[in-house]
Amino acid sequence: QKEVEQNSGPLSVPEGAIASLNCTYSDRVSQSFFWYRQYSGKSPELIMSIYSNGDKEDGRFTAQLNKASQYVSLLIRDSQPSDSATYLCAAYVIAGNMLTFGGGTRLMVKP
Amino acid sequence: DGGITQSPKYLFRKEGQNVTLSCEQNLNHDAMYWYRQDPGQGLRLIYYSQIVNDFQKGDIAEGYSVSREKKESFPLTVTSAQKNPTAFYLCASIPLDSMNYGYTFGSGTRLTVV
Repeated sequence: QKEVEQNSGPLSVPEGAIASLNCTYSDRVSQSFFWYRQYSGKSPELIMSIYSNGDKEDGRFTAQLNKASQYVSLLIRDSQPSDSATYLCAAYVIAGNMLTFGGGTRLMVKP
Repeated sequence: DGGITQSPKYLFRKEGQNVTLSCEQNLNHDAMYWYRQDPGQGLRLIYYSQIVNDFQKGDIAEGYSVSREKKESFPLTVTSAQKNPTAFYLCASIPLDSMNYGYTFGSGTRLTVV
């Protein structure tokens, strides 16, 4: 099992809808998780981080962490075409002081 | 402003040629990383360094080399032994013992074999 796994998509949602991106992780990672957004041809940018069980909200973004189910999600409310990108889920690996990444989910928001 | 600078943005390599990608950071981060990304794929770790004068191989180190002579700098050399180097290369950094920080990424170098 990979340390962090994501559905590659594409996930297609209409403009204004809620986009739900999901990520599962193994026991080999720590409890710190990060969501990066990567536009085509650009480098990833950090949009959310979460360390505690529950929800964390920042504007239109909500990160959710469920430690019992080893599940992290990112909700994007009122999705806009400009949200169309690949979203990378990452977990901190204590032993290596590094992040391990899922393969990314491509999100397409259609006008 | 603090950040990571990668150069050049685009690089063309001829068959059999070694090329070096630059990565410089002024964030005072201890650890630095090189990743390769192929079209439509995730990030694959090439090399990483936690402290000056020390570095470790990642998952796909063959055909690549690095050095870490200064805290601020972590250049990556793509050697002629790397048979398929065309990809997007990303440099990242993070403080030590930083489980609550994410990586800071550079803007990337796109390498093409001509």
